[in-house]
Amino acid sequence: DADVTQTPRNRITKTGKRIMLECSQTKGHDRMYWYRQDPGLGLRLIYYSFDVKDINKGEISDGYSVSRQAQAKFSLSLESAIPNQTALYFCATSDAGTSGIYEQYFGPGTRLTVT
Amino acid sequence: AQSVTQLDSQVPVFEEAPVELRCNYSSSVSVYLFWYVQYPNQGLQLLLKYLSGSTLVKGINGFEAEFNKSQTSFHLRKPSVHISDTAEYFCAVRASGGATNKLIFGTGTLLAVQP
Repeated sequence: DADVTQTPRNRITKTGKRIMLECSQTKGHDRMYWYRQDPGLGLRLIYYSFDVKDINKGEISDGYSVSRQAQAKFSLSLESAIPNQTALYFCATSDAGTSGIYEQYFGPGTRLTVT
Repeated sequence: AQSVTQLDSQVPVFEEAPVELRCNYSSSVSVYLFWYVQYPNQGLQLLLKYLSGSTLVKGINGFEAEFNKSQTSFHLRKPSVHISDTAEYFCAVRASGGATNKLIFGTGTLLAVQP
């Protein structure tokens, strides 16, 4: 089984709808991240969480919110989806590991289309 | 703050030919450097990383990269590519110190291997 899972894998929704993307991990990592990927722009950080009570905005947090329900679960919500939020969304996790460098491990992604 | 530049958005190459994907970074502090690969319809997978020590690092699938501090570069190379290497490749940088471990990604290079 995959260590980092994302649901749904694909989603089409309409403008103005609320949508939640979910991420779960079995790696036991304390840190979790949400990124979006757009063609020609690479990956940009939306939110990150160091533990259940520590959540931080990334570079493009406007229009998004997150919830860290447990160490293993980190959800991303779009309160009122708009077409320019159409993108591929990735969840990632990390911990100090043996090297102390917090290497990040990525989920398979959620492709979101807002019409 | 750190930044990453991948000047080539797409690199076409014939099978069994050598390839170099370029990555330049900018940072006022010491950094860790990473190359990730994204195969079609999949998440990101770590290819290799530079933390410290030897400037030539070897990764999976026969790839290697060389850290050049004076030129602020971390180019990815493979002496002979296969069709299966067709994917998008992302260079990423993060500060080696500090409380956060936010990765800054380049915009990606699509390696298109032709028979």
